[in-house]
Amino acid sequence: ETGVTQSPTHLIKTRGQQVTLRCSSQSGHNTVSWYQQALGQGPQFIFQYYREEENGRGNFPPRFSGLQFPNYSSELNVNALELDDSALYLCASSPVFRGDTQYFGPGTRLTVL
Amino acid sequence: KQEVTQIPAALSVPEGENLVLNCSFTDSAIYNLQWFRQDPGKGLTSLLLIQSSQREQTSGRLNASLDKSSGRSTLYIAASQPGDSATYLCAVCSNDYKLSFGAGTTVTVRA
Repeated sequence: ETGVTQSPTHLIKTRGQQVTLRCSSQSGHNTVSWYQQALGQGPQFIFQYYREEENGRGNFPPRFSGLQFPNYSSELNVNALELDDSALYLCASSPVFRGDTQYFGPGTRLTVL
Repeated sequence: KQEVTQIPAALSVPEGENLVLNCSFTDSAIYNLQWFRQDPGKGLTSLLLIQSSQREQTSGRLNASLDKSSGRSTLYIAASQPGDSATYLCAVCSNDYKLSFGAGTTVTVRA
């Protein structure tokens, strides 16, 4: 157990809809990162938040957005869902020092029909 | 852009055999390198983290080496067990603290 939780576990949406995924980090972890993992591939970096501000972004369009809250929780929002957004979405938190070991949650499996 | 490659994509061995998993990366300016384990449909579990200044790291039956100049890391798992069956992912942390992952090596240990 890493102490990182994600909700919901599974989600089914239709193309064009919007979705919000949630993550609760370990207490004291000021950095949270979100990843998208398509079937059979490694996770792809979406963005990272450090002390509630975006601290870097991967090659994802603006319809992927996020928030980090003072209580160590965070959200990933995806607008105008596309079929290719179907994937496992992982969040990972790190202690105060960036670049340290990342602790991953179990993920949310999103299916877009 | 950092590119991470893992070879082989899949591996099947009898119980007790040693495992050797390879990872290569294109940009040697890294902060650290991490090895993760992923069980089907689950999140990632950190196995080992090697800082850029280190050559290897050990934890129990696991040993990981890092050759930054040649852009390679190897994960060794001694005396494999059926419980070691999983996908193993290599991730390179760049100097901006972002992780780039390989596609993984799926290991099956036959009893």
